[in-house]
Amino acid sequence: GAGVSQSPSNKVTEKGKDVELRCDPISGHTALYWYRQRLGQGLEFLIYFQGNSAPDKSGLPSDRFSAERTGESVSTLTIQRTQQEDSAVYLCASSLYSYEQYFGPGTRLTVT
Amino acid sequence: SQKIEQNSEALNIQEGKTATLTCNYTNYSPAYLQWYRQDPGRGPVFLLLIRENEKEKRKERLKVTFDTTLKQSLFHITASQPADSATYLCALKGYNTDKLIFGTGTRLQVFP
Repeated sequence: GAGVSQSPSNKVTEKGKDVELRCDPISGHTALYWYRQRLGQGLEFLIYFQGNSAPDKSGLPSDRFSAERTGESVSTLTIQRTQQEDSAVYLCASSLYSYEQYFGPGTRLTVT
Repeated sequence: SQKIEQNSEALNIQEGKTATLTCNYTNYSPAYLQWYRQDPGRGPVFLLLIRENEKEKRKERLKVTFDTTLKQSLFHITASQPADSATYLCALKGYNTDKLIFGTGTRLQVFP
């Protein structure tokens, strides 16, 4: 079946602009995660959605970052007033009952 | 604070040998630990999960051990092949949370 998809695959934006990143999880997966991965670094947890529970936003680095999820489907990560330090690959993953996570290919964000 | 450490230096081994990667953690009581493989430009791929009450898990040429006294997991690839070259990430999940905390990963290079 289809895996996790993310769009766009690449995004170049000017400093100060807002960007919206999209994640389509595997159908039926209850949990959805967003991570940030800077060049040569590990995965940095951003936010986690599980069913209809309140999301765990403890990893969001600032109030410029927000995310939404519609039910158990699509999620969007929004970064407002982008800064150069926001440049990274943003990875989305979904899972069933919080076991192994299935990752999308990521969105490479470059802020100029 | 919680910390997960993986050797940041690349591990270079000859084809056919056993590769052993280490994951150490502090200030954490994990319910389980997972290992993922990440190839350049791609999202991580789940390999194995081992629970805190399990000592060892095997899957084909892969073996994971988990020592909660030493706070350490070892990941072994036997009869390594050049196709095993990738970055390997460990990740821990604690009790009462669905959040996975990832290590920074160790890059493995298998030479023919």
